[in-house]
Amino acid sequence: AQKITQTQPGMFVQEKEAVTLDCTYDTSDQSYGLFWYKQPSSGEMIFLIYQGSYDEQNATEGRYSLNFQKARKSANLVISASQLGDSAMYFCAMREPPFSGGYNKLIFGAGTRLAVHP
Amino acid sequence: GAGVSQSPSNKVTEKGKDVELRCDPISGHTALYWYRQSLGQGLEFLIYFQGNSAPDKSGLPSDRFSAERTGGSVSTLTIQRTQQEDSAVYLCASSVSGTDNEKLFFGSGTQLSVL
Repeated sequence: AQKITQTQPGMFVQEKEAVTLDCTYDTSDQSYGLFWYKQPSSGEMIFLIYQGSYDEQNATEGRYSLNFQKARKSANLVISASQLGDSAMYFCAMREPPFSGGYNKLIFGAGTRLAVHP
Repeated sequence: GAGVSQSPSNKVTEKGKDVELRCDPISGHTALYWYRQSLGQGLEFLIYFQGNSAPDKSGLPSDRFSAERTGGSVSTLTIQRTQQEDSAVYLCASSVSGTDNEKLFFGSGTQLSVL
C-alpha cells in the first residue's frame, strides 16, 4: 500500500535561511505524482509544488524546490530565504492510483510544523 | 466565487445528532473532494465527485456518512448519529477537471466538535 512518511513533527529556521522538510514515500507503482501543500493557521491547504515520477528535473516554484531522489523514494521540500509568513504546517502528498481517468486521490503524510524565527 | 467556500466554519453538536456540512466549489470546477483531518494528523480521503459520474465513496468510514452534489456544483456532507470520534476538520477541495496532475484548491474547512 502507498504510504507517505514525514519524520519531522516540528522544525525551526531563522528568517532568510534555507530549510529542508523531509518526505519519503512507498509505492510499487512506476507512475505517480508527489505534491507539497502548506497549511497556515487559517486552515486552508495551499498548493506549493508538484513532481511527476518521470520528470527528470527537480521541480521549482519560486522559493520552493523539490529535491527528488527516486531511488531513495524521497521528495524533500526546500524553502530558500525563509520568511516569517512561511510558518505553517507542511504536508507531503502522493497521488494514489488508479491515475487514469482523472482520479486525483491524494494520500497525505502527517505533516511538519515549521516555525520561522526573526 | 473566488475560492472554495465551506459552511459552517465551526459546528458543535451533541452525540447522536445529525449534521450537514456544505461546500461551494470554485465556479466551473467539475471535480470535488471531501477530506477529513483529525487533530495532528494528515488528511484522510472521504469521497470524490467528478461531473455526472457516480461518486467514489471508498473513503467514507461508515454508513453514517453520506454526501451528495446537486447540479454539479454545491456539495453536502451529512453525518448521521454523530459520534465523538467524528470530531475533526472536514475539508472540501475542487479542481478544474480532475485530471491526474492537477492541483486541488481547498476550502478553509469546517471544524466539527461532537460533545
